[in-house]
Amino acid sequence: DTEVTQTPKHLVMGMTNKKSLKCEQHMGHRAMYWYKQKAKKPPELMFVYSYEKLSINESVPSRFSPECPNSSLLNLHLHALQPEDSALYLCASSQDWADTDTQYFGPGTRLTVL
Amino acid sequence: GQSLEQPSEVTAVEGAIVQINCTYQTSGFYGLSWYQQHDGGAPTFLSYNALDGLEETGRFSSFLSRSDSYGYLLLQELQMKDSASYFCAGVYNQGGKLIFGQGTELSVKP
Repeated sequence: DTEVTQTPKHLVMGMTNKKSLKCEQHMGHRAMYWYKQKAKKPPELMFVYSYEKLSINESVPSRFSPECPNSSLLNLHLHALQPEDSALYLCASSQDWADTDTQYFGPGTRLTVL
Repeated sequence: GQSLEQPSEVTAVEGAIVQINCTYQTSGFYGLSWYQQHDGGAPTFLSYNALDGLEETGRFSSFLSRSDSYGYLLLQELQMKDSASYFCAGVYNQGGKLIFGQGTELSVKP
């Protein structure tokens, strides 16, 4: 099983809402990633977790709050977002921190902030 | 800095060979990956080069030259389904950090 799943597929939220994105993998991977991707642009790294600990935060605004409850799950909590945060949010995983070259991506959550 | 440059778009015909180039900044650079992304889909891993030279995987090959800070993805026997965006991505700081180039949109014509 080389699948990374993400829920929901689509999300529309207001600027005052609180919502969460979920990501799951059952490949035994110990590194997990959150990316943001705008249309016709590359994925931009947001956060990296290694062995359930936050290893990299690419200076992401605090309205995005990641959480790794266990080795298979990754959440992204959203609060007080801005319309410019509308994008495709991709989750990915790799065997280990050192295997970041080979990442398995989920299908993404398409987020619209009104 | 940590950035990668690649052409924004390439057009080729079915059955042809196309090469997508990528240049990168060397500070903290560890290796070069390539990903394919179809419209509306997720990025999919294609290949990785940590050492100089050519890596071949079926119709796709990838090359790295550290002395030139340059790599390329070679796609042979192009098929319509190869129409997609192709991203080079640099592994920096020996792990954890994958920085993507701006992407090359490949259009394969009949």
